[in-house]
Amino acid sequence: DVKVTQSSRYLVKRTGEKVFLECVQDMDHENMFWYRQDPGLGLRLIYFSYDVKMKEKGDIPEGYSVSREKKERFSLILESASTNQTSMYLCASNPGERRREGYTFGSGTRLTVV
Amino acid sequence: AQSVTQPDIHITVSEGASLELRCNYSYGATPYLFWYVQSPGQGLQLLLKYFSGDTLVQGIKGFEAEFKRSQSSFNLRKPSVHWSDAAEYFCAVGPTGNQFYFGTGTSLTVIP
Repeated sequence: DVKVTQSSRYLVKRTGEKVFLECVQDMDHENMFWYRQDPGLGLRLIYFSYDVKMKEKGDIPEGYSVSREKKERFSLILESASTNQTSMYLCASNPGERRREGYTFGSGTRLTVV
Repeated sequence: AQSVTQPDIHITVSEGASLELRCNYSYGATPYLFWYVQSPGQGLQLLLKYFSGDTLVQGIKGFEAEFKRSQSSFNLRKPSVHWSDAAEYFCAVGPTGNQFYFGTGTSLTVIP
């Protein structure tokens, strides 16, 4: 089975800190995604990447950046954390040409910014 | 533009009762459609998917869904709900490029 691993389940950070959320997938998927999930708003796409060093903005990229130096790893960076970035963050991957397979998600990182 | 509507924010059913969760979509061509389930504090798990062929698709955990093109719907059903089915359910449609779009979810409570 495809596995998507997010390095932290829970994080607590202070306002203004630079925060790194890490995601690793083990099935050679081309596409990787970062979503944030908030009650009543569903999943909103922050950034995605369709290849190493390639990235595309999603619907809510402000305040975030990403890095994909290796195919299996996709990092989400909060440049200066703010309380309104307190949320559940979900990483997902997808095999590109076989998009009909949908996404495989990680278990999520619940980030609290204080 | 593509979009997904899950009109029911929250549903409560008794254990053993049947379940139907609604999903309506807007998409310019024949879509790929998915249902995912999310248990508390977890990521999303794929329940089932449709991309072509038989419009009634079977998934894991006894779930099924029917694609109705005329109604732009992909409703999820289960004939007899178990307490362990309590979770949040998301419908998704796509793709547009590499991206799929999710509904806002339906929270399911199961009462004994």
